[in-house]
Amino acid sequence: DVKVTQSSRYLVKRTGEKVFLECVQDMDHENMFWYRQDPGLGLRLIYFSYDVKMKEKGDIPEGYSVSREKKERFSLILESASTNQTSMYLCASSSQSRSSYNSPLHFGNGTRLTVT
Amino acid sequence: AQSVSQHNHHVILSEAASLELGCNYSYGGTVNLFWYVQYPGQHLQLLLKYFSGDPLVKGIKGFEAEFIKSKFSFNLRKPSVQWSDTAEYFCAVKGGYNFNKFYFGSGTKLNVKP
Repeated sequence: DVKVTQSSRYLVKRTGEKVFLECVQDMDHENMFWYRQDPGLGLRLIYFSYDVKMKEKGDIPEGYSVSREKKERFSLILESASTNQTSMYLCASSSQSRSSYNSPLHFGNGTRLTVT
Repeated sequence: AQSVSQHNHHVILSEAASLELGCNYSYGGTVNLFWYVQYPGQHLQLLLKYFSGDPLVKGIKGFEAEFIKSKFSFNLRKPSVQWSDTAEYFCAVKGGYNFNKFYFGSGTKLNVKP
């Protein structure tokens, strides 16, 4: 069964701290995504990656960076956390192989980050 | 860029009532369409998907959706809801200049009263 694992379920950080959110998938998927989920706003794409060391900005990349050194791992970095980054962060992956062209997204359980 | 609209933000129904949740998207080219569900405290799960063929798609738990290309719509339906359908529902579209990107609507919270 497909599995996307996010390292923390809950995190509390202080303003100005550097924050790392980790995500690992075990399906050998090429594509990985970071979204944030806020009430009334749905899911907004922060960054995505379609290959190792490749990344592309999503709709709200400001204040975030990402790292993809290995195919199975995609990290989201908040360089200097701010209170407006308090949110639920969702990692997801999908396949881009020809046989799975219509592959859906598979989500992790999410990390609820609170910045105080 | 692609945009996805879900018109109903909060829907309250009694058990056995029929459900229809609206979803419209903006991109007119080839798209894949999805509905995801998030039960309280759980992760997002795929409910159903459309990529080609019969525009009426059946998913899990008795849900179905109809793709109407001329209306850029992919509405979710269920003839008779249950209390256990209480959840948040998200429409998603994959398509546009980067076919690997997924675009989500703002979600619809469904409360089913027992």
